[in-house]
Amino acid sequence: QVQLQESGPRLVKPSETLSLTCAVSGGSISSGNWWTWVRQPPGKGLEWIGEIYHSGSPNYNPSLKSRVTISVDTSKNQFFLKLTSVTAADTAVYYCAREGTHGYSIGYWGQGILVAVSS
Amino acid sequence: EIVLTQSPGTLSLSPGERATLSCRAGQSVNSRDLAWYQQKPGQAPRLLIYGASNRATGIPDRFSGSASGTDFTLTISRLEPEDFAVYSCQQYDSSPPGYTFGQGTKLEIK
Repeated sequence: QVQLQESGPRLVKPSETLSLTCAVSGGSISSGNWWTWVRQPPGKGLEWIGEIYHSGSPNYNPSLKSRVTISVDTSKNQFFLKLTSVTAADTAVYYCAREGTHGYSIGYWGQGILVAVSS
Repeated sequence: EIVLTQSPGTLSLSPGERATLSCRAGQSVNSRDLAWYQQKPGQAPRLLIYGASNRATGIPDRFSGSASGTDFTLTISRLEPEDFAVYSCQQYDSSPPGYTFGQGTKLEIK
C-alpha cells in the first residue's frame, strides 16, 4: 500500500517561496502514475495545484502556473512543490497524493501539512 | 475550465435515512472522469467513487454513484454515524490536463 508524507516549513513569510517535499513509501515513484499536489484553505474546498509523471512532465493549474514548480527525484522516491511569491491567500493545508488505480481520480493521499503565510 | 456545482451546501439528516447529494457540471463531462470523495475534520479526503459509479476499494455498498448528462449523484442508502462528513465531487479534464473540485456538501446529523 503506497503511503505519502508531506514535510517542510509550516510558516512562510509573504513574498517568499513555499517549498514542500513528499516522501513516497510502499511503492516506487517510477511506477507509472501521476503524482499530485492539492491544497485546501481553512474552511474551504479543495484546489488542485498540479501533477507530475515520474519522467518529469508536469501539468499545472492555470491559475497558479506562473508561480508553481513541481519536480521529482526518483532516486529518493520523492517529489516536490515550490510556490513563489506567496501571500496570505496561499495559507492552506497542502496534500501530496497519487492518482487512483483506475485513473482520473486521486486514490492515495498524504495526511496533509498546514502551511501559514504570515510575517 | 469545467465548473462543478454541488447542492445542497448542507444536508441535515438522521442515521438510517437516505442521503442524495448532487454535483452539476457546467458542460459535458465524461463519466469516466468524475469522482466523489469523503472528508472528515482533520483528515485527508478519501476516494469513494470513481468513474461516476464505481466504488473504490473497501467502500461499503451503501454508497453509490450515478450520472445523467451533466448531473451526477452520490447516494448513501442508509446513513451510518460515521458517514457524517463533507463530500466533494471532482472531474478530470484532459485538455488542458487537470482536476477541478466542487465546493463540497456538508452532511450533518439532524
